[in-house]
Amino acid sequence: QVQLVESGGGVVQPGGSLRLSCAASGFTFSNYGMHWVRQAPGKGLEWVALIRQHGSEYYADSVKGRFTISRDNSKNTVFLQMNSLRAEDTALYYCAKDSGEYSGFDYHDFWGQGTLVTVSS
Amino acid sequence: DIQMTQSPSTLSASVGDRVTITCRASLSISTWLAWYQQKSGKAPKLLIYKASSLESGVPSRFSGSGSGTEFTLTISSLQPDDFATYYCQQYNTLWTFGQGTKVEMK
Repeated sequence: QVQLVESGGGVVQPGGSLRLSCAASGFTFSNYGMHWVRQAPGKGLEWVALIRQHGSEYYADSVKGRFTISRDNSKNTVFLQMNSLRAEDTALYYCAKDSGEYSGFDYHDFWGQGTLVTVSS
Repeated sequence: DIQMTQSPSTLSASVGDRVTITCRASLSISTWLAWYQQKSGKAPKLLIYKASSLESGVPSRFSGSGSGTEFTLTISSLQPDDFATYYCQQYNTLWTFGQGTKVEMK
């Protein structure tokens, strides 16, 4: 069965950096796009970034230029490097699998349980 | 950017009620719309994709309809397990979620 396990969250000061990881299993990782979606405390869902199967990247305007998504297909892992963090980046960050095999522009059919990022001095 | 607007924001209902949630897109998105259910402290769960296709394992009391800019999620007979927050999401151009609809007990 599909499993997505996020890690790397924590408390960081404004302006700091953090790297999130998401370990995937139960499907052919290299065939699917992978997303990061976040949820601020008590708020709704916000799409953050996508990396397609062969590495092309897409970002929400709110994180463009500060966050970088990457993947290691040999380790079935997707990463989110977050730089220049702001208080408004405080959220639970979910890793989600794209449903479209060889596509990477579809809906999210499986989600991890999330890792919490808190940006505070 | 495509904006998604859900209504209502909160819905009070009883077990057995028929419940309808509306989602409007700021531009036409054809049928590139998904619905998710999120329970408190849990990750979202996919219910419906391509506006009206039921995800495997999701009870048939859930249904979706619509195209273009107007969409609905209907729960035909609300069950105790259905009290949760529901989100629509467009995937026509990148991805945008609605603000959510909380279904609470009347």
